[in-house]
Amino acid sequence: GEDVEQSLFLSVREGDSSVINCTYTDSSSTYLYWYKQEPGAGLQLLTYIFSNMDMKQDQRLTVLLNKKDKHLSLRIADTQTGDSAIYFCAERIGFQKLVFGTGTRLLVSP
Amino acid sequence: EAGVAQSPRYKIIEKRQSVAFWCNPISGHATLYWYQQILGQGPKLLIQFQNNGVVDDSQLPKDRFSAERLKGVDSTLKIQPAKLEDSAVYLCASSLSNTEAFFGQGTRLTVV
Repeated sequence: GEDVEQSLFLSVREGDSSVINCTYTDSSSTYLYWYKQEPGAGLQLLTYIFSNMDMKQDQRLTVLLNKKDKHLSLRIADTQTGDSAIYFCAERIGFQKLVFGTGTRLLVSP
Repeated sequence: EAGVAQSPRYKIIEKRQSVAFWCNPISGHATLYWYQQILGQGPKLLIQFQNNGVVDDSQLPKDRFSAERLKGVDSTLKIQPAKLEDSAVYLCASSLSNTEAFFGQGTRLTVV
């Protein structure tokens, strides 16, 4: 089935690391994505990982994929107040179909 | 490179009225998506086009929603008649390859 789950809320202090988790059910996923959504804005692609990779690092962002457990995480190092937003995990299945999670609201306090 | 353009940004209508949204994807992108995002939820795929053909419309409420992409470029999504539960942000996205999809800013629909 197509189901992507995320925790609803995460609160961290500026300068700390943030880890946002996601679980998915469809083992045929080819790519997995992290999108960021700020208030009143569309979705901004942050990073993605191919399903045969375990890890991808991109500046402050680290994506870990455990395909056996169908678990994806996004680590943001040195979190800033500008990182406050809703983060969506998404999986690509079938012919380019994107299935999104419920979103995790990240609040960064000074 | 220009992004995905959507209009209008906001729309308020009464229930049972009709409404249409427009999307112009990034030039050259063959795949176009319409998503519905209800407040507090993740985006849900309504319909996916590949050029001017429909690839997936399994979650489109076809009794009231319709979409077209006649020339394989821009697209319109229509709701007729609207219900209160259609209040949401309607997001259009386009994709060239099977790696990235780029999203527009969305149209926020309020049905009263």
